[in-house]
Amino acid sequence: RKEVEQDPGPFNVPEGATVAFNCTYSNSASQSFFWYRQDCRKEPKLLMSVYSSGNEDGRFTAQLNRASQYISLLIRDSKLSDSATYLCVPKNTGNQFYFGTGTSLTVIP
Amino acid sequence: NAGVTQTPKFQVLKTGQSMTLQCAQDMNHNSMYWYRQDPGMGLRLIYYSASEGTTDKGEVPNGYNVSRLNKREFSLRLESAAPSQTSVYFCASSATRGRTDTQYFGPGTRLTVL
Repeated sequence: RKEVEQDPGPFNVPEGATVAFNCTYSNSASQSFFWYRQDCRKEPKLLMSVYSSGNEDGRFTAQLNRASQYISLLIRDSKLSDSATYLCVPKNTGNQFYFGTGTSLTVIP
Repeated sequence: NAGVTQTPKFQVLKTGQSMTLQCAQDMNHNSMYWYRQDPGMGLRLIYYSASEGTTDKGEVPNGYNVSRLNKREFSLRLESAAPSQTSVYFCASSATRGRTDTQYFGPGTRLTVL
């Protein structure tokens, strides 16, 4: 079983739409969780950390459900600049990060 | 603040040639990592170094060696390159202060093995 599973998409949404991505992880001992964004042929960059109580950063909201071992990312009011691949990343106690294959988002004018 | 730097940015090798990919970070991070990313696949860990002087194998270590030269630098060596090693290689670093520590990536090295 893969450490991290994500729907690869692609998700094609119009500007202004709300879109949600889910991710499941297999290691129940994972301690920390992150969402990264990766633009085409560029390095991944941290979008936001995911806290147990859920957290919001502007138009982005992340949720964690430890019982079901899934993480979600909600993007409101999508912008063209949000087009990218979104990577779900749990981290284990040994400071190893596990990357999903990512979900591709294209925001259409 | 340069963050994580990698050299070279691009490289073309012939099968059997060797090369070393260089990585350096200026954030005083303890942990450093080497990943490869192939089309349609996530980042796969090749090797990581939890601290200066230690290295451990990741998911796909075969065909690679690493050296943690000091706290700043972590190099990846291909002793005898094969076409299957054509990929984009990313170096990353992370602090180890706590659970919220995240990784910072270099810009990548795009390697083609003919």
